[in-house]
Amino acid sequence: DSGVTQTPKHLITATGQRVTLRCSPRSGDLSVYWYQQSLDQGLQFLIQYYNGEERAKGNILERFSAQQFPDLHSELNLSSLELGDSALYFCASSVQSIAGGYNEQFFGPGTRLTVL
Amino acid sequence: QQQVKQSPQSLIVQKGGISIINCAYENTAFDYFPWYQQFPGKGPALLIAIRPDVSEKKEGRFTISFNKSAKQFSLHIMDSQPGDSATYFCAAGGSARQLTFGSGTQLTVLP
Repeated sequence: DSGVTQTPKHLITATGQRVTLRCSPRSGDLSVYWYQQSLDQGLQFLIQYYNGEERAKGNILERFSAQQFPDLHSELNLSSLELGDSALYFCASSVQSIAGGYNEQFFGPGTRLTVL
Repeated sequence: QQQVKQSPQSLIVQKGGISIINCAYENTAFDYFPWYQQFPGKGPALLIAIRPDVSEKKEGRFTISFNKSAKQFSLHIMDSQPGDSATYFCAAGGSARQLTFGSGTQLTVLP
C-alpha cells in the first residue's frame, strides 16, 4: 500500500458527461501528479500540483482540469467525455520541493474510467 | 524530444534466468532515470533509480546500467523469479520534475 488513495476505483459513464476523480496524497507529501494510462498511449503525465499551485503541465486536454485543495487532496475533472478517454487514471504524490532534487513518486491504485 | 523508447514489449524468461530490458532517450536534459514495476490492478511502484553521474546501480537482484554517451539505460533482473512477473516501465525526468515513461515491458518468468 503506497499510502495514496484514489476514488472511485471504477467509473462507467456515457459520452458527453463530466466526472471527477479524487486523490489523497501520502501524509506529508506536497506534490500531486496525475497520469493517464491507456493501451495505445502508455503512461502519460497530465499535470502536477505543488502545495495548491499548478507546477507543470503535460499532455492534458483542454477538456480536463485539476486542482489541489488546502488539505492537499486533488481532483481531476474530465468533461465532454469521449470514448477515447477510457483509461486508467493514476495519481502519484511525492515530497517534492520546488527547488529540490528528485523524490520518489508514490502511485495510487488508480481509477478505471470507462466511457460508453 | 521528450520520448523514451523501451524494448522489448514482452519478455519470457525461465526461472533463474536474467531478464534484460532496455531504454533509450533523446533529451540530454534528463537527469533522473527510475524503473517502475506494475502488477495487474495496481499502480506502478518504484523499483530502482539512477542519476547520470554513475554508470551502474545495484539493489539486490536488480541492476541499472547507464550509458550517458549512448543515451541508453537498462534494467537487469538476476535470478528471475515467477514473482517478478509484472510490467516494467523505465522513465526519465528533467528539470520540471515530471516523468516521461517508456511504453512498458511485460515480463513473464516461467516456473
